[in-house]
Parts: sequence; structure tokens; C-alpha cells
Amino acid sequence: DGGITQSPKYLFRKEGQNVTLSCEQNLNHDAMYWYRQDPGQGLRLIYYSQIVNDFQKGDIAEGYSVSREKKESFPLTVTSAQKNPTAFYLCASSIETSGRIANTGELFFGEGSRLTVL
Amino acid sequence: QKEVEQNSGPLSVPEGAIASLNCTYSDRGSQSFFWYRQYSGKSPELIMFIYSNGDKEDGRFTAQLNKASQYVSLLIRDSQPSDSATYLCAVNRDSSYKLIFGSGTRLLVRP
Repeated sequence: DGGITQSPKYLFRKEGQNVTLSCEQNLNHDAMYWYRQDPGQGLRLIYYSQIVNDFQKGDIAEGYSVSREKKESFPLTVTSAQKNPTAFYLCASSIETSGRIANTGELFFGEGSRLTVL
Repeated sequence: QKEVEQNSGPLSVPEGAIASLNCTYSDRGSQSFFWYRQYSGKSPELIMFIYSNGDKEDGRFTAQLNKASQYVSLLIRDSQPSDSATYLCAVNRDSSYKLIFGSGTRLLVRP
């Protein structure tokens, strides 16, 4: 079945370490996103990518980096520069239609990765 | 002022009642509006979307949009315990890829 796979589901990081969260989709979607969710909070956009080899910063990109070398993959690296990285990270994809989220506006989410800094 | 505001709740309703969830947004140019449901520890899933003023019904769910008042709501009729979740309002303000999410309203449906 088509979907989005995030790994790992749980991740622990020591202070000063970089970690990379994996996101793979087989939905043939052009656009992919990374969101961060803190307890009791909504989703905040970290980075998004409309096409391969191109990505844009979202609202909270500092301390994060991404790459989009393949349509199917959009990994997120949480660097040591991110001062408060403990959060629930959600990867999503959508059908790209001329610069807009598709008419349904539907984001397809992975199951999330929960990162904890020790 | 947050771009998308929701009452955090919890909103508690008895089984079979109508649950009314509300959302206000600050950008008058916002064009499309979405309701996502998120169970605890899980990822959000789309329930409804609405673009035009008025009501849009889908089964037990009705989305209501009033652009003049910058207000969007979600009504859940015949609420079930399985509806207990956090409901996230999201706004696409400029036809871009960026959905702006509210912080969500937690709904509890009492058996």
C-alpha cells in the first residue's frame, strides 16, 4: 500500500549530537514537508520541498537541515544548533498542482518520530 | 495574535450530542480551511476542507465558514467516544504550500 514511512519512531540524542530522521514516500507526490509538534501545540513548518533538489525554509528552520535528492525521500537532520529539539516530528507529502496544495488540501502524514534529548 | 486560534479545551460532550469546535484566523486573505483530527500520539488525518462561505456537510461532520467574521467551525453530530481526539484547524493563506495550524481543541465524548 502507498504511504509515508518515517524512521525511527523513537530517538534519543545526547546534547551536541546531530541526528537524521528518515522520511520515504511511495505516493508519487511532488511536495514534501517537515513539521514539528510540541505538547499541546499545533504543527509548525520546518522545511518544505516542491521538487527534487529544491527546498524552502519554513517558519522554524534554524538548527535543521534537509535534502531532496530523490522524489521519494526527504530526510531531516536535527543539528546541535537546535537548542530545544525534543519534540514530535511529522513528515508529510501532498500532490503538487501549479504551486498550490491540491484541491483537497490534503497532507498525507507519516506516523511521526519522537525525538528526546538526554 | 496567533494566525490561527483555537480554544485548547477540553470540550466535553455526552455521547450522541453535537460537538461544536471553533477556529478564528487573522489573515483576511486566507483562502482555504481544513480540519484535521489527531488521536493521541498519532499523526493528523484530514476530515474536512472548505473554501466558500456557508456550510459543507460530510456524514456526521459539517464545516462552516464565515470569511467576513474570519471564523470557521466544525460540527460533529451524534458524537461518539471514538471522536475523542484533538481537532486541528489549518489555514492556507496565500495559495502556497504553507498550511498554518492552530494549536488544536481536545474533544472528549463521554459514554
